[in-house]
Amino acid sequence: AQTVTQSQPEMSVQEAETVTLSCTYDTSESDYYLFWYKQPPSRQMILVIRQEAYKQQNATENRFSVNFQKAAKSFSLKISDSQLGDAAMYFCACDMNYGGSQGNLIFGKGTKLSVKP
Amino acid sequence: DGGITQSPKYLFRKEGQNVTLSCEQNLNHDAMYWYRQDPGQGLRLIYYSQIVNDFQKGDIAEGYSVSREKKESFPLTVTSAQKNPTAFYLCASSMFGGLTEAFFGQGTRLTVV
Repeated sequence: AQTVTQSQPEMSVQEAETVTLSCTYDTSESDYYLFWYKQPPSRQMILVIRQEAYKQQNATENRFSVNFQKAAKSFSLKISDSQLGDAAMYFCACDMNYGGSQGNLIFGKGTKLSVKP
Repeated sequence: DGGITQSPKYLFRKEGQNVTLSCEQNLNHDAMYWYRQDPGQGLRLIYYSQIVNDFQKGDIAEGYSVSREKKESFPLTVTSAQKNPTAFYLCASSMFGGLTEAFFGQGTRLTVV
């Protein structure tokens, strides 16, 4: 079965510091998309960053960057200069049917990030 | 502005009743999805549709039904056969059947009373 695992149910970071959220996945596909979504208390899902598996270069979006290790099937999210507004649930997700007929996302169970002032 | 609209935001249902959750998008997206979110469970796929008049079951389709008569609309019916319907429901859409990012609605909180 294709799975996405987030091993850290909760994380905490001091404002202005850096934190890394972990994600591993399991798939037999050779090409796929990986995503990190943020869900604040409003419960609106917001895309943070995405990575295409065939691209070796790690994606970056301002203070957010990923460490994509394809061989290890690892996709961690690094948040630099953490801000109070970064406090939220973070979900790792994978579209494992690239080029196939399904195209739906498989989500991890989430990591709750707290930011201390 | 383009986006996905879910309604209502909160919904209460008596046991034994069917209820329909609305999802409309004006992004011209081909694919639409319904997810269920429970505490500690992440998001789980209920149904998805990549074209009008066609849809497929996801991981937890039992007790739910959908229709896709228009590209813009993908309503979800929670039937009385769903044993534990109290949850947060999220609708999403994407281009090219999910090969690009999914855009989400603001969700509907369903409570069975």
